[in-house]
Amino acid sequence: SYVLTQPPSVSVAPGQTARITCGGNNIGSKSVHWYQQKPGQAPVLVVYDDSDRPSGIPERFSGSNSGNTATLTISRVEAGDEADYYCQVWDSSSDHPEFGGGTKLTVL
Amino acid sequence: QVQLQESGPGLVKPSQTLSLTCTVSGGSISSGSYYWSWIRQPAGKGLEWIGRIYTSGSTNYNPSLKSRVTISVDTSKNQFSLKLSSVTAADTAVYYCARTVAPPVYFDYWGQGTLVTVSS
Repeated sequence: SYVLTQPPSVSVAPGQTARITCGGNNIGSKSVHWYQQKPGQAPVLVVYDDSDRPSGIPERFSGSNSGNTATLTISRVEAGDEADYYCQVWDSSSDHPEFGGGTKLTVL
Repeated sequence: QVQLQESGPGLVKPSQTLSLTCTVSGGSISSGSYYWSWIRQPAGKGLEWIGRIYTSGSTNYNPSLKSRVTISVDTSKNQFSLKLSSVTAADTAVYYCARTVAPPVYFDYWGQGTLVTVSS
């Protein structure tokens, strides 16, 4: 199966920029999607197809994908952005979606 | 706005079959080119995709669960369902249903999730 590697945790001060990475073999050739999950809540799609945002998601959330790393960038971080973030791709070799292990974003 | 709601028993005995239903509102389950998926999350752990169904009845399952999973759809009720057989404590998790855009595969609307505990 296709392995996605995320750092367990990222910390950032309010107003700064958070970057959450998702590593995978030649992930740049895949479409990467990102979800935000706050405690006790269902995941919410925040970025799809590497860099597109669903309606209602602030422009502060952006994504990029190249080589072996995809990145979710959150600009001007707010306390309300504190959550777990998961990346996800479709693994064509196994014909099913794969999720990264998740990154806990802490706003200091 | 599409909404999804899971329902079913919160407690299942070991070796029995877990059964959940997802009711879709705010749109027809048959409209658009969407699949409908089940995803689970054990407490404190990450997300695991279980499987998906198209309204034609076509299914795909996670290979690690394939032998125990059945997903079905009832378009007349705007629902789809999950059955997971021979459950053990390892199947204890929050179970989510989600609308699935494909291709490429991603999940744009999720239910609130339902906790299923496997215990005698």
